[in-house]
Amino acid sequence: DAKTTQPPSMDCAEGRAANLPCNHSTISGNEYVYWYRQIHSQGPQYIIHGLKNNETNEMASLIITEDRKSSTLILPHATLRDTAVYYCIVRVANSGAGSYQLTFGKGTKLSVIP
Amino acid sequence: GAVVSQHPSRVICKSGTSVKIECRSLDFQATTMFWYRQFPKQSLMLMATSNEGSKATYEQGVEKDKFLINHASLTLSTLTVTSAHPEDSSFYICSASGSPDNSPLHFGNGTRLTVT
Repeated sequence: DAKTTQPPSMDCAEGRAANLPCNHSTISGNEYVYWYRQIHSQGPQYIIHGLKNNETNEMASLIITEDRKSSTLILPHATLRDTAVYYCIVRVANSGAGSYQLTFGKGTKLSVIP
Repeated sequence: GAVVSQHPSRVICKSGTSVKIECRSLDFQATTMFWYRQFPKQSLMLMATSNEGSKATYEQGVEKDKFLINHASLTLSTLTVTSAHPEDSSFYICSASGSPDNSPLHFGNGTRLTVT
């Protein structure tokens, strides 16, 4: 799976949009981009994933560049409960082969400040 | 959405005893589940892949005789830490996904193991 690079930490003011970048310059054509977050002492929580089109759900938006070498997770109105470590992971999805494990990097520690 | 339940959430045991951790997929069937371990201030590290009806596959450096995995049904995998020692104290997390193959993995809430 392609390696990802994320800033180690970021701050965001409460109520503002949090934009978390991720570089994955060696991503392959069949690799998806997944975002998870981990709040202290809890299991990782799935946020969103995409292949090449931008995606939006009730939690966040995922913007993937046209060349797919980077992406940005957007939390439109950050709250204190969004303080967590955010992981950007790329993973191959191979039809018929069953689920694949995720390889976690160090992620970005997002601190939402009142 | 898919839910993965893990039990217990916290366990304290004495050195030399064994501890069993359960991981259940509540609303989907999972032929494959994954077990991770996380030490303080570190990221999750994959320990093993649990396959329903067959032997688990372990990552390099993980002792299969120490960390016994049983995946007896499509909704349950168990991890038993045998003869636990203080260095096994960690946060153990399981995950699973349904189909199709690009479905996200969902994680349990983890088990905090403390070996005294």
